[in-house]
Formats: sequence, structure tokens, C-alpha cells
Amino acid sequence: DQQVKQNSPSLSVQEGRISILNCDYTNSMFDYFLWYKKYPAEGPTFLISISSIKDKNEDGRFTVFLNKSAKHLSLHIVPSQPGDSAVYFCAAGRGSSNTGKLIFGQGTTLQVKP
Amino acid sequence: DVKVTQSSRYLVKRTGEKVFLECVQDMDHENMFWYRQDPGLGLRLIYFSYDVKMKEKGDIPEGYSVSREKKERFSLILESASTNQTSMYLCASSSPASGDNNEQFFGPGTRLTVL
Repeated sequence: DQQVKQNSPSLSVQEGRISILNCDYTNSMFDYFLWYKKYPAEGPTFLISISSIKDKNEDGRFTVFLNKSAKHLSLHIVPSQPGDSAVYFCAAGRGSSNTGKLIFGQGTTLQVKP
Repeated sequence: DVKVTQSSRYLVKRTGEKVFLECVQDMDHENMFWYRQDPGLGLRLIYFSYDVKMKEKGDIPEGYSVSREKKERFSLILESASTNQTSMYLCASSSPASGDNNEQFFGPGTRLTVL
């Protein structure tokens, strides 16, 4: 049972345009959501997160939107840069869990073309 | 600066060998995790530990075991390596004190090939 899903395996955008990466989840008990970025042969690095009590969080070029009724979140990158080319994972967790366990999606490979 | 290190970046082993993957974190984190990453499958949790000597199975524990004798070190053991365990293995750590989002910090990964 895949609780966190990224249905688009890949996305290609032109430099300077907007990249939109999507993520769906099934468990309404998740308290927070995170986005990670991963380059080949490196570990994932944290990008941005959002609490379930918010619907938007912004950090520079990166904005995450949360639609709780649709159980959907998206990551917007504006403007996209070639260095943003990587695999992006969304993840979800519950605040009541003291183990810090996260559920990850399958990942979306973003290619930003110069 | 936050640091999670893994003992090897690349490893080649033969079928049936016992394999040890080591992970060390210097952040005094309570929680540690082992994942494997395979194309199209994302990050799948193998085992995690929320305290010294404590461990819990993740989603795909079969064929693996773990050891956490010290807070900073979490080892993943493949008792008898098989070719379907060829993968990228990622270690992570986190702490409830880090904030509300339980951000996990990842090591660089170990690319394991089983021949």
C-alpha cells in the first residue's frame, strides 16, 4: 500500500520556466510533508517542508503547496535552473511518532534544459 | 556541520557473502534509518532504530539485520548477500528535538553490487 505517491517519473522543463512536481498521499493523519532533492551518487538533501496546518510555504525559488482536501501537495520551482536537475522525493510523517519515521514517494526526475 | 558518514561509497560482493554496511552520525541523534533506493521504487525503509539497542522493521526487512550498540553508529548486515540486494543503500538520522518536521539527514550512500 503506497501511502505517498509521485505519479510522474520524470519532468523536463526549459531553464527559466516553472517546474511543478506533484505528490499525492492517502493517510489523512500525516502532520507534515517534506521535499528532498537527490543528485546521482549523493544522499538526498532536505529542500523544504510544510506543516499540515498550513497551505503554503515559500523559501526563495521553492514553494510547496498543500491541498488537504485533495490529499495533494506540489513543489514549485521558479525560475528553474539547470542545477535543479535531480531526483525529487516527497515524504510524509506524523508528529506523534517519536521514531521520526517518514514515508517516501517514488521520486520524480527533473531535467532542466539550458 | 551536520554529518552522516557511510563506510564505503562502492562495494562489490559475491553471492552468499556476509556484508556489513556501517553508518556513523555526529549529531547525537536518537533516530537512525537504513533505506535502499531502486529506480522507480523510491526510498524503501529496511530498518530503523529510535534508541541504542532498539530496532524496528521497516517495509522490506527480509534478508537484512541491524545492530545499534552505540548511539552514533547503526550497522546494516546482509547475512547472505543475493543478487537482488544489489542497490544503493542510504543511511539517515534524525532527532525529535530538531523541529516539527522530523527532518532526516542522509549519508552519501553505498552502491552495493552483488555478483
